[in-house]
Amino acid sequence: QVTLRESGPALVKPAQTLTLTCTFSGFSLSTSGMCVSWIRQPPGKALEWLALIDWDDDKYYSTSLKTRLTISRDTSKNQVVLTVTNMDPADTATYYCARIRVDDSGAPDYWGQGILVTVSS
Amino acid sequence: EIVLTQSPGTLSLSPGDRATLSCRASQSVSSSLLAWYQQKPGQAPRLLIYGASSRATDIPDRFSGSGSGTDFTLTVSSLEPEDFAVYYCYCQQYGSSLRTFGQGTKVEVK
Repeated sequence: QVTLRESGPALVKPAQTLTLTCTFSGFSLSTSGMCVSWIRQPPGKALEWLALIDWDDDKYYSTSLKTRLTISRDTSKNQVVLTVTNMDPADTATYYCARIRVDDSGAPDYWGQGILVTVSS
Repeated sequence: EIVLTQSPGTLSLSPGDRATLSCRASQSVSSSLLAWYQQKPGQAPRLLIYGASSRATDIPDRFSGSGSGTDFTLTVSSLEPEDFAVYYCYCQQYGSSLRTFGQGTKVEVK
């Protein structure tokens, strides 16, 4: 059974760095074709793809946010971490992590329940 | 960078109606890299269609996807009460690992 769960602070101040952790089970990020992606959704708005890390530890970032994002993994803990620097109220959103199998659907198939992060002083 | 434009923004229909949702890409997308999601309030998105036309696990056959190149369509043949939701298209850019979502189409009860 595949599960993912996001954890991190619910509230951050402007200019702070946000660190989110995705803890997953039911698959291994070391397996060829496996990836974990981060996606966010501001309240009442559309989904926005942020970043992806794959089985080879290759990392990919949204063009518009790449200077502020870092994605990393700890395969021994089955965790993927996303950091977002210089947080702004416009970054207030529900942040999701999701699994991708590039040799299957190629699209995020299992998602965490999401974590709402509010940026406010 | 590919931009996905969905239309209409809102679709007002009744249960039993046929829903046709459009997703247009700013440049050609490989069909194998196009997917559709359903999202209900307070829930994570659910994968409906991948590879433009393949239904994901446990997705009813009233959902179907079609299209190629820059124009893709999600069709719900006969809306059930649980189908009223927001739908997003998604793609991976060919030759790149960048991904993008459309802005969504809300299917609401007329």
